[in-house]
Amino acid sequence: GAVVSQHPSRVICKSGTSVKIECRSLDFQATTMFWYRQFPKQSLMLMATSNEGSKATYEQGVEKDKFLINHASLTLSTLTVTSAHPEDSSFYICSARDLGHHYEQYFGPGTRLTVT
Amino acid sequence: SQQGEEDPQALSIQEGENATMNCSYKTSINNLQWYRQNSGRGLVHLILIRSNEREKHSGRLRVTLDTSKKSSSLLITASRAADTASYFCATGGNDMRFGAGTRLTVKP
Repeated sequence: GAVVSQHPSRVICKSGTSVKIECRSLDFQATTMFWYRQFPKQSLMLMATSNEGSKATYEQGVEKDKFLINHASLTLSTLTVTSAHPEDSSFYICSARDLGHHYEQYFGPGTRLTVT
Repeated sequence: SQQGEEDPQALSIQEGENATMNCSYKTSINNLQWYRQNSGRGLVHLILIRSNEREKHSGRLRVTLDTSKKSSSLLITASRAADTASYFCATGGNDMRFGAGTRLTVKP
C-alpha cells in the first residue's frame, strides 16, 4: 500500500524557536496533503490543506503565520511551527491523497513535538 | 471542526467478546473510513466503505454504513488483547474529518 513518512518522529525544542516537520509520499504523487494535530486522548483536528504549487488553506482558528506550510513538490509538504510555545506541544500528523485513488488518503506515523 | 461522533467514548470487554463501535456524521460523504491508533502512535487504516456500499468485511472486522441515518458501525469479532486501541471514523471527501474516537480496552 501507499506509504507516507514523517520526519522527525520526535522533536524537543525550546520556546521561541522554530521547528520544521516533513511529510513525504514515498511511492505515489500527492497534489494534496493534509496536516492534523492531536492532543492527548483527543481526536485529530484538521489544521490545513496543503496544495502543491499553491497556498495552503487553513482551518478556522489556525494561525497561518504561526504554522507555515509549504508544498513544493508532489511528494513533499512541510509544516514549520514558528516561535514555538509550550501550548504548541502536540502530535502532528500528515496525510496525503493519492492522485491515482482520488478519495483515499494515507497517513504518516506522526511527529511528537514537545516545546520546553 | 470535527465531522463525526463515535459512540461509546470508551468500551471495555473481555478477550473473545465482540466489540461494536458506532459513528455518526453530519454531512454528505463520498466514503467513510475507520482507523485505529495505539497510544501515542500514528494511524492505521482499517477499512474504507464507499457511500454506495452498505456492508464490508475484512478479517474480523465488519463495517456497516447507513447513509439515510448518517451512521456507521465497526464490529470487531473475537476480540484480542492486541485490539486495545482507539478507533476513529473519518469521512472522506475533499478533506477528511475525524470523530472523537472510541477507546477500546480488551482484557486478557
